[in-house]
Amino acid sequence: GEDVEQSLFLSVREGDSSVINCTYTDSSSTYLYWYKQEPGAGLQLLTYIFSNMDMKQDQRLTVLLNKKDKHLSLRIADTQTGDSAIYFCAESRGDYKLSFGAGTTVTVRA
Amino acid sequence: GAVVSQHPSWVICKSGTSVKIECRSLDFQATTMFWYRQFPKQSLMLMATSNEGSKATYEQGVEKDKFLINHASLTLSTLTVTSAHPEDSSFYICSARDNNQPQHFGDGTRLSIL
Repeated sequence: GEDVEQSLFLSVREGDSSVINCTYTDSSSTYLYWYKQEPGAGLQLLTYIFSNMDMKQDQRLTVLLNKKDKHLSLRIADTQTGDSAIYFCAESRGDYKLSFGAGTTVTVRA
Repeated sequence: GAVVSQHPSWVICKSGTSVKIECRSLDFQATTMFWYRQFPKQSLMLMATSNEGSKATYEQGVEKDKFLINHASLTLSTLTVTSAHPEDSSFYICSARDNNQPQHFGDGTRLSIL
C-alpha cells in the first residue's frame, strides 16, 4: 500500500483558506515536506518540518504535524489563483530518499 | 538559493536514439542527486540515487543499462536514456541536495519518442 496518502482534489474559493491533508505510515520519518507543482514544471519546495516539531508557519503557509496520528496538514491562508497547482506531501528517512503522496490538485475558483 | 537547473526542458526524437539529460546544482555542491520519472497525473517515481564519484543506486525494476547515470562532479549529474522507445516517453525530473539542504528539484524534461 501507499506509504503517504493524500486526498486527490480540493476546490477552494479565492480568499478562503485551503487545508490539504496527508497521512503517512513510517514512524521513523525524520522530515516531512510540502512541494508544489505547476503544469509542466518541476517541484517547488514550499516548506518542511522536522518530525519533533508540531507546527511551522511561514507567511501564508502553516504546517501542522500530529506525530501520534501520523497526520500532516498544509494550510494556505488567503488562497489566490496562483495557488492553483498540485501539492505533494513527502516524507524522508535517514537515507534522504523521499516518499511522495499521489498529490492533491488544488483549484482556486473566483 | 538552492537552484537546480535541468536541460533540455523538452526533447522529441526518433525511436532508437539515445538522449542525455543534464542536471546541475547552480549555487551549491550536490553530494546526492536523484532522478525521478513522472507519468501524467501521477506522482513521482524514484528511478535512482547518485552520489558524486560513485555508481548510482537504482530502484527495483529500473534497468541500469537502459538509464545510464553519471555524477562526475558535485554540480552535475546526467541521465542517458539509451536506445529510447515510445514507452520511455515521460517527464523526467532530477533533484539535488547537499548535507544541509532538503531536495531541490529541476524543472523537468519532457521526453517524447516517436
